[in-house]
Amino acid sequence: GQSLEQPSEVTAVEGAIVQINCTYQTSGFYGLSWYQQHDGGAPTFLSYNALDGLEETGRFSSFLSRSDSYGYLLLQELQMKDSASYFCAVGTGFQKLVFGTGTRLLVSP
Amino acid sequence: EAQVTQNPRYLITVTGKKLTVTCSQNMNHEYMSWYRQDPGLGLRQIYYSMNVEVTDKGDVPEGYKVSRKEKRNFPLILESPSPNQTSLYFCASRPTGPYEQYFGPGTRLTVT
Repeated sequence: GQSLEQPSEVTAVEGAIVQINCTYQTSGFYGLSWYQQHDGGAPTFLSYNALDGLEETGRFSSFLSRSDSYGYLLLQELQMKDSASYFCAVGTGFQKLVFGTGTRLLVSP
Repeated sequence: EAQVTQNPRYLITVTGKKLTVTCSQNMNHEYMSWYRQDPGLGLRQIYYSMNVEVTDKGDVPEGYKVSRKEKRNFPLILESPSPNQTSLYFCASRPTGPYEQYFGPGTRLTVT
């Protein structure tokens, strides 16, 4: 089967740095992506890693290690608006995408 | 404005009454997908389409049908809805290349 594991909840304070981990076990691998979803909203794309290493986009960075079947999303200089759910997703085929169950991030003042 | 639209946004129906949720995108994307989101289960792919008249099953296709007769539209059809199909449904599209999907606003379906 396919499985992606991420922590169910993470808490942090404004201005801090938080890392959300994702480990995966899938039958195929076509890259790891991350999505953000605010309550009542639709998922929005944050980042994508096809190769090992770190990708940086503003305050957000994403890392992938294919040999460890592991990745993480790093959020820096946390803001209240970053409170949301974060999903990792693995492409298991050309157009097939499997999502993790999501990590709820709570940012407090 | 580039977007994915879904209709209706909310729907309450009864078991067995056929329904269709429409999805349309104005970005000329080749690829479209349908997902359902349930608490604790994340998003699960129902069906996807790589182009007009080309569709394939995702991880949870049972009880659903799709069609792709035009590039911009990808309706989801529930021929005989059951209570276990009560869920939040998202349509998504993406161009060729990395997995940057654009999601519609969601359709909350309740089947009683």
